[in-house]
Amino acid sequence: NAGVTQTPKFQVLKTGQSMTLQCAQDMNHEYMSWYRQDPGMGLRLIHYSVGAGITDQGEVPNGYNVSRSTTEDFPLRLLSAAPSQTSVYFCASSYTGTGPQHFGDGTRLSIL
Amino acid sequence: GQNIDQPTEMTATEGAIVQINCTYQTSGFNGLFWYQQHAGEAPTFLSYNVLDGLEEKGRFSSFLSRSKGYSYLLLKELQMKDSASYLCAVSSYNTDKLIFGTGTRLQVFP
Repeated sequence: NAGVTQTPKFQVLKTGQSMTLQCAQDMNHEYMSWYRQDPGMGLRLIHYSVGAGITDQGEVPNGYNVSRSTTEDFPLRLLSAAPSQTSVYFCASSYTGTGPQHFGDGTRLSIL
Repeated sequence: GQNIDQPTEMTATEGAIVQINCTYQTSGFNGLFWYQQHAGEAPTFLSYNVLDGLEEKGRFSSFLSRSKGYSYLLLKELQMKDSASYLCAVSSYNTDKLIFGTGTRLQVFP
């Protein structure tokens, strides 16, 4: 079983470049979310979705866009990358927002 | 808003017992989760408490007191492989958000 798949696993960008981090799940989960993890900051919620066509902001949404056109996919877009967005990004999914989250392996993003 | 506090670091000896505390403040509390995260890896689900009391799962147990806004994760018979970060997270029925604390890094020594 694939579970939650994130691509790419590693990426280096230059300031100002745009990028889409991909996330796909094959568990028919309605709820999907994106977190970033920085040293000493824990996991911080960027955006989340309770179902196809519905997205909402988390704790740190600025600089990121999301869309949810299908149940399976929840891409995260950086429109103009900044060094402050250097982080490890995790995508997660669950049946509901109050259920156990299944995490992808993460994308390690560096912005120079 | 939500506020979650847990110790930054803890150390313990192989074979011992360790208790990791988590305090939280939230409106519309719906449940508390514990996750384990090894260095360089994704978090994995350990336990979920929605009612007061102790939930036991093998060597790991989790306790919740809703009135005190308090939870702990108890790890028994510690093994070297238990060296990891332990993340406390709280969900609220007012929102659909799952908010994490900053995590407790546990180091187990022989």
